[in-house]
Amino acid sequence: DAGVTQSPTHLIKTRGQHVTLRCSPISGHKSVSWYQQVLGQGPQFIFQYYEKEERGRGNFPDRFSARQFPNYSSELNVNALLLGDSALYLCASSQGVGNQPQHFGDGTRLSIL
Amino acid sequence: SQELEQSPQSLIVQEGKNLTINCTSSKTLYGLYWYKQKYGEGLIFLMMLQKGGEEKSHEKITAKLDEKKQQSSLHITASQPSHAGIYLCGADSGGSNYKLTFGKGTLLTVNP
Repeated sequence: DAGVTQSPTHLIKTRGQHVTLRCSPISGHKSVSWYQQVLGQGPQFIFQYYEKEERGRGNFPDRFSARQFPNYSSELNVNALLLGDSALYLCASSQGVGNQPQHFGDGTRLSIL
Repeated sequence: SQELEQSPQSLIVQEGKNLTINCTSSKTLYGLYWYKQKYGEGLIFLMMLQKGGEEKSHEKITAKLDEKKQQSSLHITASQPSHAGIYLCGADSGGSNYKLTFGKGTLLTVNP
């Protein structure tokens, strides 16, 4: 069975641009979460979606937005990119919310020049 | 907000040695998850602990949850080079969204 897939794997942008990252969850999983991981730190929670509804939002500015589609795939959008947005963006899926493990994709490495 | 502190930050061991990594929470633990990460890659789920005193094992890795101390430990027996990587603990926040809060990770190096 395919795991969580993310695209693209690497991306280089310049300040002020916007970016869209994509995630396909494990088949049968209805919840998708997004995390940002900067070098030397643990992942930081950005969003959680379940059944196409936002269930949680971390401490990130409004430049960050996301959505979940009917097939449970998800997109993370970041506008007006800053140098500090350079990070590994991880998507995780789970069957539902709570008391079950989240399974992570390999991430998208975003570099801002 | 919940914070997780992992110790040690890094660890270098000789192949065959045992080791322990600790994770301490600033708040009540509703669920504790252990992951392994190779540099620049995604997280691989290892184990989930939910009840005080719970202990789980997978191959040579054992994790325990001490609910009263708000602490979990990960123990590797007879370490191998394949165990090398970054070990991360994550905790459920409870409530309605069950986001995971992570520690900063423990970098494990296993020398052959």
